[in-house]
Parts: sequence; structure tokens; C-alpha cells
Amino acid sequence: GQQLNQSPQSMFIQEGEDVSMNCTSSSIFNTWLWYKQDPGEGPVLLIALYKAGELTSNGRLTAQFGITRKDSFLNISASIPSDVGIYFCAGRRYQAGTALIFGKGTTLSVSS
Amino acid sequence: EAGVVQSPRYKIIEKKQPVAFWCNPISGHNTLYWYLQNLGQGPELLIRYENEEAVDDSQLPKDRFSAERLKGVDSTLKIQPAELGDSAVYLCASSLGTGVPGNEQFFGPGTRLTVL
Repeated sequence: GQQLNQSPQSMFIQEGEDVSMNCTSSSIFNTWLWYKQDPGEGPVLLIALYKAGELTSNGRLTAQFGITRKDSFLNISASIPSDVGIYFCAGRRYQAGTALIFGKGTTLSVSS
Repeated sequence: EAGVVQSPRYKIIEKKQPVAFWCNPISGHNTLYWYLQNLGQGPELLIRYENEEAVDDSQLPKDRFSAERLKGVDSTLKIQPAELGDSAVYLCASSLGTGVPGNEQFFGPGTRLTVL
């Protein structure tokens, strides 16, 4: 099935560093979402974006909906050990409740 | 509020055997989804229910996979017979309903299937 282009595939950083990851698509989406998945658990929603150009924060996390509607990025500031996990972007073409298309994920490792 | 419940959490079976996964969505959530997550990949939709009706099952391999959502609450996903390539995590998610602004999907912990 189709998946979004998410990069980088993995990141190894020191505690306190900032992190940036992005997601691109050849198709337009009307919603972009960012999820975090811990080992053995399901994805947990971090941030939802509904308008092109929208910039939204959730604590140390900030995400933006690209103006072309074909991309999104997620920034994590001042990383801490509990930020470790896999971060997925997801896009939706149609109305809320319809199918999400996910990226392959960015695996974040944080050393203290 | 209880989250999406899935069982079993882990299942190991021999190939050609049948297997079933169960999901109980968040109370009041009309839409239920089954996703397949292969190792190193993001989730991919298998089927979406609006109440009892399967409204999007285009990605469900119907030769061996089946799903049902009787009474519009709990759902069961079945594979018969299982193949080696079916080894993956099967995620269930639920949401309030299609078209509700800001209505996003909440995921269960998944069932990790290993086919030997």
C-alpha cells in the first residue's frame, strides 16, 4: 500500500538537543497528523494539523502543515530520554474518520 | 475513560492454522479500523467500519481474511489459513465518526502475530 516519505529513518542524539523530522507526499492531504509509538504499544496522537501553513505546538513538540499541502515537519526541542520511540506522520485526503496513510517512521534514540 | 482494548496481545501459530483477533473500541466510537503493521513500516488500513457496515475493505485480502462487527461495537478479524507472511502486528483503532471535525483515531496496543 501507499506510504508517505518520512525522513530521517533514524536519529541518535544527545539529551537536550533539538530534533527535526519531516514527511512528504506526491499527493495533497487536507490533514496531517503526528503519532509516537513505544515498543509493544499502539501509536499515540501527538499533534493534528488541519490547515495549510498551520503551526501547532504541544509542549516541546511543534509541527507545521506545509503550504503546498504535500508535506509536514515535526520538531522536538530539548529532547529528554522519554522522547525515545518511533514517530510516524500520517496524512488524510478526505473528511475526518476516513483512512490515514502513514509514513515508515523515524526511530529516535536519546542518550543521556 | 478506557482505551481501545485488543486481545490477545501475542499469538504464535503454525502456518495453515486459523487465528482470530478481538477488538473493543472506546465507548461511543462509531468508527472502527483494523490496520496491519509490518516490521519497520507504518500501519496500513485493512478495513474500516461505520457502525456495523464495512465501508472501506478494499485493502483486505478477502481470500483468507475476514472481519465482522456485530452490533456495531466489538469487532473480530480472522485469518484462515494463516501464511508465514502474515506475521505482523494487527492494530485496532476507533474514532467518533466520519466527518466530525477534529475526530481522530485512537489506537489499541495491537496483537503481535507470529506464524511458524
